[in-house]
Amino acid sequence: QVQLQESGPGLVRPSETLSLTCTVSGASISINNYYWGWIRQPPGQGLEWIGSRYYSGSTYYNPSLKSRVTISVDPSKNQFSLKLRSVTAADTAVYYCARHVWDEQMFDHWGRGTLVIVSS
Amino acid sequence: DIQMTQSPSSLSASVGDRVSITCRASQSIRNYLNWYQQKSGKAPKLLIYGTSSLQSGVPSRFSGSGSGTDFTLTISSLQPEDFATYYCQQGYITDLYTFGQGTTLEIK
Repeated sequence: QVQLQESGPGLVRPSETLSLTCTVSGASISINNYYWGWIRQPPGQGLEWIGSRYYSGSTYYNPSLKSRVTISVDPSKNQFSLKLRSVTAADTAVYYCARHVWDEQMFDHWGRGTLVIVSS
Repeated sequence: DIQMTQSPSSLSASVGDRVSITCRASQSIRNYLNWYQQKSGKAPKLLIYGTSSLQSGVPSRFSGSGSGTDFTLTISSLQPEDFATYYCQQGYITDLYTFGQGTTLEIK
């Protein structure tokens, strides 16, 4: 079955760049109709979509984060990555990677999530 | 932005009860409405997509309905494992997917 696993530092200093990688198993990242996305959840709060990317390059970002975010895909490793620049304490959250099914516009498989704390 | 508003924010119910959670969009989203269940410390799990389609493996006691701006998630007979937080999500605007604020379902 499809599985996703986030990895990356759990602590990032303010003004630096948050970098996370999602490794996909059980499915190819280069399959038609599937985008690969990131969603975050601040402690005790709701869900916020960050962005989604297709393996061949088409990308959508949340306008509120667009100036600071880059999502990339590495089909050779079956991985995709998130970079969020110039972080502040407000970026502290659990970050989830997820498979984004384009036709239905739904997120059908999620990673377990990784907590990233922004603090000096 | 399309705002998604869920009601109630929290709900107390008993095992065996029938419960409904409402999600209202600030503009029409056709049928691009999905529902997720999140248990404490876990990732969200897709329950319903396209307003009323049951995701594979999800029990049939879960159902969804609605169209346009008003949508409902119904659990026909609550089971102990259903106590969780539920989120709706609109998929109509492709550069700004938004979630409702969540509804926490608690044991009475």
